[in-house]
Amino acid sequence: GQQLNQSPQSMFIQEGEDVSMNCTSSSIFNTWLWYKQEPGEGPVLLIALYKAGELTSNGRLTAQFGITRKDSFLNISASIPSDVGIYFCAGRKTGANNLFFGTGTRLTVIP
Amino acid sequence: EADIYQTPRYLVIGTGKKITLECSQTMGHDKMYWYQQDPGMELHLIHYSYGVNSTEKGDLSSESTVSRIRTEHFPLTLESARPSHTSQYLCASSGGQGRIQETQYFGPGTRLLVL
Repeated sequence: GQQLNQSPQSMFIQEGEDVSMNCTSSSIFNTWLWYKQEPGEGPVLLIALYKAGELTSNGRLTAQFGITRKDSFLNISASIPSDVGIYFCAGRKTGANNLFFGTGTRLTVIP
Repeated sequence: EADIYQTPRYLVIGTGKKITLECSQTMGHDKMYWYQQDPGMELHLIHYSYGVNSTEKGDLSSESTVSRIRTEHFPLTLESARPSHTSQYLCASSGGQGRIQETQYFGPGTRLLVL
C-alpha cells in the first residue's frame, strides 16, 4: 500500500505567490527528503531533513521535519516560472532499508 | 552537484531485443539503486545494491537483472524487451556515514520505448 500521502496532487498558482505542500504517513520516518523533477530528467535533491523538528532552508525553499516524525512540509516563497515541475517527498521509515516516495505534487506557475 | 551518469538518455527498440542501461557514479558511493517511473508518476524501486557483488530486488517486480562488479558501475539488463517495459528508468546512489547515506542522488534517467 501507499506509505506516503503527498498533497496536493497539483497546484496552479500565480507568479509571486507562496506555495505549500506536505507529506504524511501513518508510520514514523527517520529521514525526509524533498526532490524536484522536471520533464525528462531525474529528481534533483532540494532539501534533506534528518531530525524531528528540523527546519531547513535552501534559497526560497523551506522544509520541516514534523515533530511527530510522521509528516514533512515544503514551502516555496515568491514563486517564479522556473519553479514549475513535480515535487516529490521521500523518506526512510524506521526499520526499512530503502526510501519510500510520495506520489508527487505537480506545480504550475502562471506568469 | 551529483556525479551520476546514465546512458543512453533515450532508447527506442523493437520487441525481443536485449538491452543494457548503463549507470555510473564517481562519488564512491557504496549504495546504488534502479527505479522505474511512468511519466509524472511515483518512483518504484526495482533493484538495489549495497556494495560490490551485492544485489537485491526492490519493491516492484521487474524482469530486468542487474550486476555490481565495480563500485562505480550498476548496469541494468533486459534480456528480451517488451512494450510493457516502456518507461523511464532512473539510477541513484547514496553513500557516506550516518544519516547522510540515506540521501539518494539521481541520474538523468533513460527513457525507454519498446515497439
